[in-house]
Parts: sequence; structure tokens; C-alpha cells
Amino acid sequence: GNSVTQMEGPVTLSEEAFLTINCTYTATGYPSLFWYVQYPGEGLQLLLKATKADDKGSNKGFEATYRKETTSFHLEKGSVQVSDSAVYFCALSDQGGSEKLVFGKGTKLTVNP
Amino acid sequence: DAMVIQNPRYQVTQFGKPVTLSCSQTLNHNVMYWYQQKSSQAPKLLFHYYDKDFNNEADTPDNFQSRRPNTSFCFLDIRSPGLGDAAMYLCATSRDRVSDYTFGSGTRLTVV
Repeated sequence: GNSVTQMEGPVTLSEEAFLTINCTYTATGYPSLFWYVQYPGEGLQLLLKATKADDKGSNKGFEATYRKETTSFHLEKGSVQVSDSAVYFCALSDQGGSEKLVFGKGTKLTVNP
Repeated sequence: DAMVIQNPRYQVTQFGKPVTLSCSQTLNHNVMYWYQQKSSQAPKLLFHYYDKDFNNEADTPDNFQSRRPNTSFCFLDIRSPGLGDAAMYLCATSRDRVSDYTFGSGTRLTVV
């Protein structure tokens, strides 16, 4: 079945450091790929998404590119801020849409001033 | 603002005592989902409603049930909570099966 594997956390960075959180997936067909963020005490929020190979999703300085050849969707940000501290979830959907999102285990990011 | 609201934010229940978690939405979305998120694990889909059509995941225990009396509300009923059911329960909605999700803030359930 479909699955998502994220790099193990927690990740601790200093402000303005470069961030990469790795995500690889296993899926039949051509899934859509997502990154969700969960701030402390809050629900999941969609951060960015990509619906087909080579698409790049971007939002709030975060980017991720849908790489079909490596089945990856790594999250990157050039300069993190303290306010980026949160848990980040990579996810995919089958059937080309948001139905039945399958999540990775999440990666906790802490950014220190 | 249109949103998805889960009540309560924190719920403590006794082992074996039925408990109900609630979710309401002002988005008028057709689809409502319930996810279970245990500590340091991925959120796991329990079931979803497409309008009034209930869709149960194959591995969701019978102990978990759901009701959707109208478009706005959806309830998660745990008939006999066990210690292993302690988790964050997330409600989400989407306009249809191919639209983006909107999540509530979750209810953290503790079983004592």
C-alpha cells in the first residue's frame, strides 16, 4: 500500500540556518504530495503541495519539488526563523486527490534564536 | 472565519466508559474525516463521511463509531475506551474528495 517515510527528528537549528527535511514515498499510480505543519496546540495546516512530477510547491519561504524518479518530496527553506518551530508532516493522497491522506510520522523542528 | 471546531480540546475519560468527541464546521464541506494521532506517530484515518455516506477503514476497531446528524456536525464515539486509545483525535473537512483538507485543532484524549 501507499506509505510515506520522513527523516527522523527532532531537528534543532539556529535562526537563519538552511533546512532540509527528507521525505520519500511509495505509491501506486501518480499521487499528489503535501507538506502539513502543526504548530504547538494547533491542528494541521497545509503548507504546500504538488500534484504532478517536477511540480514545485512553495509557501512562506518553504519549497518542495515532486521528484518521481527518486520518489521524493524533500522540504527546504533557505533561512529558518524561530516562528518556524513546529512539527512537519509529509503526506500523499491516492486517486489524484486529497482523499485518504497518508501521513509520515512527522519531524519536529526547533529553531533557536 | 469559517473553520473546523473540535470540542473539547482535552478530554479525560475512565477506562471502559463511553466517550464522545465532537467536530463542527462552518465551511459547508461535504466530506468529514476522523484521524487518530498517537504520540510520535503519523495521523491514521479512522473513517470519513461523504455527505451521509459512511466509509470505514478496514482496520478501524469496532470500538470506534461515528455519527453525522447533519452537514455541520460529526461525532466520534468510543464505546469502551482502553489505555491504547489515548491519542490526539483530529477532525478534517474537504469540499469534495479531491479538494484540500481543513483540520480542526484536535482533541487530546486521556484514558485513566
